[in-house]
Amino acid sequence: DARVTQTPRHKVTEMGQEVTMRCQPILGHNTVFWYRQTMMQGLELLAYFRNRAPLDDSGMPKDRFSAEMPDATLATLKIQPSEPRDSAVYFCASGPRPTATGELFFGEGSRLTVL
Amino acid sequence: KNEVEQSPQNLTAQEGEFITINCSYSVGISALHWLQQHPGGGIVSLFMLSSGKKKHGRLIATINIQEKHSSLHITASHPRDSAVYICAAPRGGIQGAQKLVFGQGTRLTINP
Repeated sequence: DARVTQTPRHKVTEMGQEVTMRCQPILGHNTVFWYRQTMMQGLELLAYFRNRAPLDDSGMPKDRFSAEMPDATLATLKIQPSEPRDSAVYFCASGPRPTATGELFFGEGSRLTVL
Repeated sequence: KNEVEQSPQNLTAQEGEFITINCSYSVGISALHWLQQHPGGGIVSLFMLSSGKKKHGRLIATINIQEKHSSLHITASHPRDSAVYICAAPRGGIQGAQKLVFGQGTRLTINP
């Protein structure tokens, strides 16, 4: 049963620490998204990759966030240094095609708490 | 005004009732997604549709492109249908990147 896998599921850290979240997209999917979900803002797009190339990271605070796809089986989202306002659930999603024509498959999310 | 608006924001019903959740959007789209999120859980894609109607089990989604409106219906609702339902529309971006714009979600509670 193919699924998007995210680690860690839960992370509690102190302000200023580096946080790395990982995502394994479904094999063969060439589009990968990072979303952030908070109570106040709902779901927001942070970054979008197609064929491992970043196409849109305009929703991501560039000074502290970075997203990469070192290979087709791994996407990473890094926060350095982390701040309490980064506390949220971070979702990775992958799809076989751009969202206009293809279904999206979401991971279970990584719940981040920054103290 | 949000680009994607859902109504109602909260809905409580009794088991067995017919449920309708509405989604109106102002972005130009070629398709619309319906997502389901259980409390504390992940997000599941229910439908992606660009015209007409799709059915999966007790769930039915319809879309009217001209009116920029979509509805999600649940027949014979069950407590396990309790979840947040989110509609999302892709807005074209750079290099054809399709950025999903999300509605605020509808929290559905089905009481036994």
